[in-house]
Amino acid sequence: EIVLTQSPATLSLSPGERATLACRASQSVNIYLAWYQQKPGQAPRLLIYDASNRATGIPARFSGSGSGTDFTLTISSLEPEDFAVYYCQQRSSRPLTFGPGTKVDIK
Amino acid sequence: QVQLVQSGAEVKKPGASVKVSCKASGYTFTGYYIHWVRQVPGQGLEWMGWINSNRGVTNYAPKFQGRVTLTRDTSISTAYLELTRLTFDDTAVYYCARGYDSGFVYENWFGPWGQGTLVTVSS
Repeated sequence: EIVLTQSPATLSLSPGERATLACRASQSVNIYLAWYQQKPGQAPRLLIYDASNRATGIPARFSGSGSGTDFTLTISSLEPEDFAVYYCQQRSSRPLTFGPGTKVDIK
Repeated sequence: QVQLVQSGAEVKKPGASVKVSCKASGYTFTGYYIHWVRQVPGQGLEWMGWINSNRGVTNYAPKFQGRVTLTRDTSISTAYLELTRLTFDDTAVYYCARGYDSGFVYENWFGPWGQGTLVTVSS
């Protein structure tokens, strides 16, 4: 099973600041990594798939990069609605696995 | 629009079984996989398995193998999750999610999602 670790666990930032979230895989997942955003009481929402492709309707301030074992989600300038928990997920091998999440909260 | 609507909250006793439904609308049900993901309150996401809605073929995470059964009824565009031998650790929100379609279908990315069904295991 591929284990995903995310850092930091919590990121405290102000609106307008840049957020950089990391996801590391225990073995190579090629580019088969996605990012999801989850707000309290809501289901997750797909943001980025195949490491760097934005899902339909996702604003351009969200970008993803990386391959192999190291990946980054960047939010270029935080909007108030971006404060949430972000999860990475791999589809390189079964079982599909998620990281533990990074909470982006307001400083 | 594409929508997945799940059945309501359940309270079960330890050792019992639960069956959660996920009704799809707004797309051709048999064209996509349906996945099930659970989330223990305050914790992360855990993939349980998928069902090929067309052929009924399933794949389960090893952790749930033997306790989970995914089925579907194509006549009513509905997928089901059944989990048996419930323990307190199975208290969680259970989500269904469809494979993502960007114009090309990615079966193992999840979007959209159902609203979630809280299953509480309590004596």
